[in-house]
Amino acid sequence: DGGITQSPKYLFRKEGQNVTLSCEQNLNHDAMYWYRQDPGQGLRLIYYSQIVNDFQKGDIAEGYSVSREKKESFPLTVTSAQKNPTAFYLCASSIQGSYNEQFFGPGTRLTVL
Amino acid sequence: QQQVKQSPQSLIVQKGGISIINCAYENTAFDYFPWYQQFPGKGPALLIAIRPDVSEKKEGRFTISFNKSAKQFSLHIMDSQPGDSATYFCAAPNTGGFKTIFGAGTRLFVKA
Repeated sequence: DGGITQSPKYLFRKEGQNVTLSCEQNLNHDAMYWYRQDPGQGLRLIYYSQIVNDFQKGDIAEGYSVSREKKESFPLTVTSAQKNPTAFYLCASSIQGSYNEQFFGPGTRLTVL
Repeated sequence: QQQVKQSPQSLIVQKGGISIINCAYENTAFDYFPWYQQFPGKGPALLIAIRPDVSEKKEGRFTISFNKSAKQFSLHIMDSQPGDSATYFCAAPNTGGFKTIFGAGTRLFVKA
């Protein structure tokens, strides 16, 4: 079955630690995205990548970093510079040229202890 | 920054009733308007979408109505069921077309 997987489902982090969230897709999509979801605020774009080895900052990139070394993978690192990282993180992908039809993963809930 | 303004923030509907969620956008260059459905603890999933060359699109109990002159589009859920209880997001592309702008979401609760 084609789809997007995110791991882990739940992640706990101590203050000052960096953590990396995994996102893998086997849909053969060129574009991938990371969103942050907080209650009542909808989806906010962190980073996006249209092709391998290229990515752009979204609206709230501060304190986050990404890489796109493979088409299938788009990991997100939440660094210690992110002041309020507790949130639900969603990864998505789409066919290049069809950016509105995004397919989402199940999400990772990050909690800072 | 371009916005997509969604209302209401939350909605309670009796089983069998009609749920209506509205979105307003700013950029007339937008050419694709999807609605996403998200259940608690899950990622959103594309529910239905419309292009501005038509005024209405229906898929089962779900209908999108599009008003180009008012720059608004709405989701109507007919015969609402408890299983429809979820958060619904409208969306539109930004001017560059590489990103999607999402509305803030509407939490729908259908009472049995």
